[in-house]
Amino acid sequence: AQSVTQPDIHITVSEGASLELRCNYSYGATPYLFWYVQSPGQGLQLLLKYFSGDTLVQGIKGFEAEFKRSQSSFNLRKPSVHWSDAAEYFCAVGAWAAGNKLTFGGGTRVLVKP
Amino acid sequence: DTEVTQTPKHLVMGMTNKKSLKCEQHMGHRAMYWYKQKAKKPPELMFVYSYEKLSINESVPSRFSPECPNSSLLNLHLHALQPEDSALYLCASSQVSIGKSSYNEQFFGPGTRLTVL
Repeated sequence: AQSVTQPDIHITVSEGASLELRCNYSYGATPYLFWYVQSPGQGLQLLLKYFSGDTLVQGIKGFEAEFKRSQSSFNLRKPSVHWSDAAEYFCAVGAWAAGNKLTFGGGTRVLVKP
Repeated sequence: DTEVTQTPKHLVMGMTNKKSLKCEQHMGHRAMYWYKQKAKKPPELMFVYSYEKLSINESVPSRFSPECPNSSLLNLHLHALQPEDSALYLCASSQVSIGKSSYNEQFFGPGTRLTVL
């Protein structure tokens, strides 16, 4: 069965500083990987996705992620964080072999200091 | 139209009430999903419909009853809920995977925030 681990439950970063969120996945076949962001009381917004091809993926709001098959990782980065980036971030893996299931990691809460 | 809509946005109900959540999409997707998300937790899959038939039930209690009356609509009927069922309920839709190594992205609605008193 597929699984996703986000090792950091909370991350605090200063506004303007860089941000990296870690994601490790476990899946026996080609992974389909996603990063979502959720602001308090809101639904999920897709930041970016990896299906195949270039392992560095660009997303919305200045985010990017790099797929590293050898490390089973799909880390999310942003060079300069804005106060509006404070939110919960979820990494997810899509499994076509399990009825198109989407399995989420536990999430990382990002706090932005002024 | 690339939206999934959900109504109502907020719902407060008593434990003896019967209510329904509604989800609609007009993207021609034939797979639809219900997720439950508790505070500070990731979404958890509840049900999957494929071609209007229930294909996955993740051992959800019978007080939650899904229904897919047509390819655009998905309902979740609620009856005799408990306070611990208070959560954000998310609906999603996607194309149906038809081959190996073919995952189809799910598109999420904004959710219905349910409070059970």
